[in-house]
Amino acid sequence: NAGVTQTPKFQVLKTGQSMTLQCAQDMNHNSMYWYRQDPGMGLRLIYYSASEGTTDKGEVPNGYNVSRLNKREFSLRLESAAPSQTSVYFCASSEADREEHGYTFGSGTRLTVV
Amino acid sequence: EDQVTQSPEALRLQEGESSSLNCSYTVSGLRGLFWYRQDPGKGPEFLFTLYSAGEEKEKERLKATLTKKESFLHITAPKPEDSATYLCAVQTPNSGYALNFGKGTSLLVTP
Repeated sequence: NAGVTQTPKFQVLKTGQSMTLQCAQDMNHNSMYWYRQDPGMGLRLIYYSASEGTTDKGEVPNGYNVSRLNKREFSLRLESAAPSQTSVYFCASSEADREEHGYTFGSGTRLTVV
Repeated sequence: EDQVTQSPEALRLQEGESSSLNCSYTVSGLRGLFWYRQDPGKGPEFLFTLYSAGEEKEKERLKATLTKKESFLHITAPKPEDSATYLCAVQTPNSGYALNFGKGTSLLVTP
């Protein structure tokens, strides 16, 4: 089925460890996004990529880096994980200038940093 | 600074009891207002995009409306399967194509 695939679905890290969250979409969308969702805070934008080869900071970029590897893939890296980064991470994609179709979200990565 | 506020935070309805969810926004220009549904443990699922005041869109028991300051999601004769968190988000010229989300309304429909 077409959509956004995130891996892994669950992860537990120790403070200071690093990891990369993977995201891939097969809808030929130009734009991709990383959000985090915390209780009582809603979805907050970490980074986005309007098109292949470009990335921009969102509301909460500190502690994260991203790579738009190609049109399909957009990864999120935590270089030195902190407990404050415990969250659910969602990747999304959209076709720029066709927002009437909305964003398509992945099913999320549940990350716990201990 | 763009702000999106959803109310109420939580709503409990009896099956068949119609109601409305509110999304008020303060933005420097609106490109679009989006409604999403999110089930527990899943990613948000797109429902509607509204672009200008006076616009309305419908899907089954849901109807979304937009004014210059707020949007309403009307739920007519809800069923238990409508239970979910409903998220509102705005897109502005300053945000590119990124969405700024409200905190959501958690809806529970009981039989």
